Amino acid sequence: GAGVSQSPRYKVAKRGQDVALRCDPISGHVSLFWYQQALGQGPEFLTYFQNEAQLDKSGLPSDRFFAERPEGSVSTLKIQRTQQEDSAVYLCASSPGVSSGGKGYEQYFGPGTRLTVT
Amino acid sequence: AQKITQTQPGMFVQEKEAVTLDCTYDTSDPSYGLFWYKQPSSGEMIFLIYQGSYDQQNATEGRYSLNFQKARKSANLVISASQLGDSAMYFCAMIPWGAGNMLTFGGGTRLMVKP
Repeated sequence: GAGVSQSPRYKVAKRGQDVALRCDPISGHVSLFWYQQALGQGPEFLTYFQNEAQLDKSGLPSDRFFAERPEGSVSTLKIQRTQQEDSAVYLCASSPGVSSGGKGYEQYFGPGTRLTVT
Repeated sequence: AQKITQTQPGMFVQEKEAVTLDCTYDTSDPSYGLFWYKQPSSGEMIFLIYQGSYDQQNATEGRYSLNFQKARKSANLVISASQLGDSAMYFCAMIPWGAGNMLTFGGGTRLMVKP
């Protein structure tokens, strides 16, 4: 498909387990973002890549969270030693990253991965 | 830091009527972009409309228009001729261009369209 895809769509983890969430951005999109959305709230920024470079990880809540995009395409968000407060929907978005009066900075979102930590 | 406020947690609108969803923002950056996204129950965030802080005219995209009042720091979304499929969560968001490319979202408004 032409859109952003994420897998798995649903993940149940026991407290203390490690999880890996995958994002396939739109082909050719330079920028890739991860957001965390708690139930009933707006998404909150986690981290941002431009190609393979992680330019901003200021939103990662702890050092248990790690993201990578080694070849500038697919990205993986890894959460180590999951805690109950990590339960949320994790959204990935990509954008062309070309500035033209704001056009090109539109972010296109995937369907998200719903993580439940029990 | 920037902040987005959506004061309407939930709204009802009759099918075929127009509805306005409120959004106010706060930023010290003089150059910024404002976005509206729709999130249906399936969970995917769907981009609706964009307004740049220096755009002279209010943005329009089909049935969506953005009522941008820069001095009041408001960016309300107007949906004309509501349809049942418009029932969803709506999020206002912004990017201050001088502070990175990430979106800052408001808390959202749940819109319910009545037949």
